[in-house]
Amino acid sequence: NAGVTQTPKFRILKIGQSMTLQCTQDMNHNYMYWYRQDPGMGLKLIYYSVGAGITDKGEVPNGYNVSRSTTEDFPLRLELAAPSQTSVYFCASTPPLPGGGNTEAFFGQGTRLTVV
Amino acid sequence: AQSVTQPDIHITVSEGASLELRCNYSYGATPYLFWYVQSPGQGLQLLLKYFSGDTLVQGIKGFEAEFKRSQSSFNLRKPSVHWSDAAEYFCVGRTGFQKLVFGTGTRLLVSP
Repeated sequence: NAGVTQTPKFRILKIGQSMTLQCTQDMNHNYMYWYRQDPGMGLKLIYYSVGAGITDKGEVPNGYNVSRSTTEDFPLRLELAAPSQTSVYFCASTPPLPGGGNTEAFFGQGTRLTVV
Repeated sequence: AQSVTQPDIHITVSEGASLELRCNYSYGATPYLFWYVQSPGQGLQLLLKYFSGDTLVQGIKGFEAEFKRSQSSFNLRKPSVHWSDAAEYFCVGRTGFQKLVFGTGTRLLVSP
């Protein structure tokens, strides 16, 4: 199994440009999440989804949009990039609970985004 | 509201010394609890998890954590720290249908 796959790994955007960060998982997890991590800081939740067609805002949703049309995919859209969105973005997925011993989150390797 | 608190932002430990990283949780029910480690420039790796049963949980790389319901704590320990353990450590909680809740992280520095 590939687990959680994020693309791209690195990206430089100009102010005002848009882009989509892709995230896909092959573990049939119903929960998926997007986090951002600023330098030297912890992870902040941007959006999450509890299943196909259902999404909800996290702590820092402004400037982002998501969709969840399938169980596998959870793309994150930046419409008008701003320097404040320079960060490392992590996608994660979790199985439903109770899940026996399989309860932890699986993370992608991250996307390092710079907005100039 | 559910929360996970890591009181220590930074900790410095001498190589070979023991380590304890603190984590406190605030949940209505006993949460599932996890410790993740993030090396510089890397993603997050699961060290260990607690979901029921024995309160002392063994993980990878020689780490263990003890769940104490009376103290609402899930502290991470290692008897002897290696220089390669220098990293950011995150305590994470999850209950029922709730989303993951991250602590703010503790940065471990290992001195020679």
